[in-house]
Amino acid sequence: QVQLVQSGAEVKKPGASVTVSCKASGYTFTSYGISWVRQAPGQGLEWMGWISPHNGNTNYAQKVQGRVTITTDTSTSTAYMELRSLRYDDTAVYYCARGGLGWYFDVWGRGTLVTVSS
Amino acid sequence: EIVLTQSPGTLSLSPGERATLSCRASQSVSNTYLAWYQQKPGQAPRLLIYGASSRAIGIPDRFSGSGSGTDFTLTISRLEPEDFAVYYCQQHNTSPSFGGGTTVENK
Repeated sequence: QVQLVQSGAEVKKPGASVTVSCKASGYTFTSYGISWVRQAPGQGLEWMGWISPHNGNTNYAQKVQGRVTITTDTSTSTAYMELRSLRYDDTAVYYCARGGLGWYFDVWGRGTLVTVSS
Repeated sequence: EIVLTQSPGTLSLSPGERATLSCRASQSVSNTYLAWYQQKPGQAPRLLIYGASSRAIGIPDRFSGSGSGTDFTLTISRLEPEDFAVYYCQQHNTSPSFGGGTTVENK
């Protein structure tokens, strides 16, 4: 079945970087975009960015532009989201989802909790 | 950036009642790019409606979406116990964004 499997929880110090992975299976990885969405504790959903695994094109939300990089490895059908210069308010559950930029988000990973703490 | 405003923030209803959730956009959104999601505590969001009015696979027909331009509505015709959750609207065009969510709670 179609699924996205994310890497495990992370605890990072302020100023550090974190990379979250998202492995796709059950469909042709290069046929759909992958978006990253985060949710701070008790808050709503915030779109962070998108990548086309087909050609590597990316689009980032203005709020995190310059601190986030989304990449893919088509040989393993895996997407990655790197967030740098972590701040306390980056503490959130980070989701990958299939879709974005013209396509609804029809498949979601289970989420990865990233905690920023000194 | 398109801002989506959902109302009400919280809807207190009983099983069997009708729920009407609103989503207003700061500028016109093509129906093609308007979706609704359901999220339960500790779970990832789940796609309910895409294209403003098309139900996703496996979504029961008590869920329906309507609207156009800047005003969209999600209706749950008769609430089932499993429908109490948070609902988000989303536009997924050039720079996707989500509404702030409506919590449907059991009265």
